[in-house]
Amino acid sequence: QLQLQESGPGLVKPSETLSLTCTVSGGSISSSSYYWGWIRQPPGKGLEWIGSIYYSGSTYYNPSLKSRVTISVDTSKNQFSLKLSSVTAADTAVYYCARLVVPATHDYWGQGTLVTVSS
Amino acid sequence: QSALTQPASVSGSPGQSITISCTGTSSDVGSYNLVSWYQQHPGKAPKLMIYEVSKRPSGVSNRFSGSKSGNTASLTISGLQAEDEADYYCCSYAGRVFGGGTKLTVL
Repeated sequence: QLQLQESGPGLVKPSETLSLTCTVSGGSISSSSYYWGWIRQPPGKGLEWIGSIYYSGSTYYNPSLKSRVTISVDTSKNQFSLKLSSVTAADTAVYYCARLVVPATHDYWGQGTLVTVSS
Repeated sequence: QSALTQPASVSGSPGQSITISCTGTSSDVGSYNLVSWYQQHPGKAPKLMIYEVSKRPSGVSNRFSGSKSGNTASLTISGLQAEDEADYYCCSYAGRVFGGGTKLTVL
């Protein structure tokens, strides 16, 4: 059974960089059938797609976040990562990692991790 | 790309059927049969309920069904049960645009 697990700091200071890693177990991140993505959900609000990455390193980002987002993949560790720079309180959210079945379905999700931006 | 439009809330009594709409544009919902629906209970991760407009993943009850007409997709839940009370999100545009979410209340 495929499992995804987010990890990283739960508290980040304003203007700093948020960094999260998603570890994939029970399957290979290098499959040609999938992208791997990040989605976030501010407290009490809806879901927002952040971006997706293919095992080759090809990426797609939400245009509204593109200038601050970097998603990378480490196939040797079966992990992919998110970096979001210059964070503000508006970036406080539960961050989920998910598998995207090409072309368009997020079928497996991590449990999510709350990241709070505060000094 | 703007968020897809969903009603903020819907409600129904046990045993009844309800439908949640998801309206986009000819660039997203209307372009391809690639709409998915997710159920989210409080404090939990979203769960895939419908993909590619009307397909159900293994293990999802056949009380859940999806359809699309033009730029609007719909999720129908028949035979409402208390456990169906949750937030529901649609998604389109290659998984890049979500709806604002609909809170389903089972009366």
